[in-house]
Amino acid sequence: GDSVTQMEGPVTLSEEAFLTINCTYTATGYPSLFWYVQYPGEGLQLLLKATKADDKGSNKGFEATYRKETTSFHLEKGSVQVSDSAVYFCALKGQAGTALIFGKGTTLSVSS
Amino acid sequence: DVKVTQSSRYLVKRTGEKVFLECVQDMDHENMFWYRQDPGLGLRLIYFSYDVKMKEKGDIPEGYSVSREKKERFSLILESASTNQTSMYLCASSRPSHKETQYFGPGTRLLVL
Repeated sequence: GDSVTQMEGPVTLSEEAFLTINCTYTATGYPSLFWYVQYPGEGLQLLLKATKADDKGSNKGFEATYRKETTSFHLEKGSVQVSDSAVYFCALKGQAGTALIFGKGTTLSVSS
Repeated sequence: DVKVTQSSRYLVKRTGEKVFLECVQDMDHENMFWYRQDPGLGLRLIYFSYDVKMKEKGDIPEGYSVSREKKERFSLILESASTNQTSMYLCASSRPSHKETQYFGPGTRLLVL
């Protein structure tokens, strides 16, 4: 069945460092891909998404490109801030599916 | 602004109690979902509903049931709460297309003693 694998955390960075969180997926057809963020004590918020191959999603300085050839959707940010400290989830929704399938989440901690 | 609300942020119940978690969305979405979030396991789907009175089992439905009598409301029921159901419960809603974003509520942190 469909699945998502994302890098284990925690990831600890200094402010202004470059961030990459790897995400790969297994799915038939052409799923839609999502990154969600969860700040402490809150629910999940959509960070960005891409619904077809080669699409780039972007928001708040974060970017991810839907790579069909490598089945990947890695999250990047050029310069992280303390306020980016959160848990990040990669997820997919298959063409025939209804619910999201999530990776296990990556905790990011940014220090000043 | 889109909104998914959950009836409680924190809940403490005793083993064997019947527990109701309520979720309401104001976006006229057809699909609604209940997930459970546990450390190291990510989010796992318990049940979802694609229409009023319709439901489908997710990955971990055992010990849970759901009710959807109105389009905007989706309830999760723990028939007889057990300590292994202590968790964070997240409700979500979306339109049917696989390209559509799923919107989440703030979560209910349930402790079963």
